Amino acid sequence: RKEVEQDPGPFNVPEGATVAFNCTYSNSASQSFFWYRQDCRKEPKLLMSVYSSGNEDGRFTAQLNRASQYISLLIRDSKLSDSATYLCVVNRAGGYNKLIFGAGTRLAVHP
Amino acid sequence: EAEVAQSPRYKITEKSQAVAFWCDPISGHATLYWYRQILGQGPELLVQFQDESVVDDSQLPKDRFSAERLKGVDSTLKIQPAELGDSAMYLCASSPPTGPEQYFGPGTRLTVT
Repeated sequence: RKEVEQDPGPFNVPEGATVAFNCTYSNSASQSFFWYRQDCRKEPKLLMSVYSSGNEDGRFTAQLNRASQYISLLIRDSKLSDSATYLCVVNRAGGYNKLIFGAGTRLAVHP
Repeated sequence: EAEVAQSPRYKITEKSQAVAFWCDPISGHATLYWYRQILGQGPELLVQFQDESVVDDSQLPKDRFSAERLKGVDSTLKIQPAELGDSAMYLCASSPPTGPEQYFGPGTRLTVT
């Protein structure tokens, strides 16, 4: 079983739709959580950190459920420019900072 | 906005040849990472430096890959000899002292023929 698992998609949604991505992680001692966005053939870019209390940045909302080891990302009012792969990322506990990346969920927003 | 620099952006090489990639992290970032990303997968850590010291190279194929960060600033990743299966995107990242988030360079796309 992979340490971080995501639905690969693709999610094909019309502009204006609300879409949610889910992610599960296996290491219960994981300490920090992130969503990264990666455009085709580009580098991953930090989208947002995920906090236990949940956090929102404009149209994006991230939530963490430590008991279920589950992370989510909600995108409201989807734009064409949101089309990308969204990577769920977990900071492995202990020792030096090490991020474990999921394989990503692909989102395609169409007119 | 400070960025991680990488070069070259693209590299085509024949199998059994040597290839090297360079990375310059964001100024002040003591931690530097090299990742390999195969199409359709997430980045996988190859090696992690804290200043000039390697702190994790457990996933680095040491028979053919080497990495150094001699002065604790920029870094070089080398493959010798390259194999067909090494074709991938090689990403460098750095992280600030204040937090675990990592910032990536544009990557080097390697094609081995």
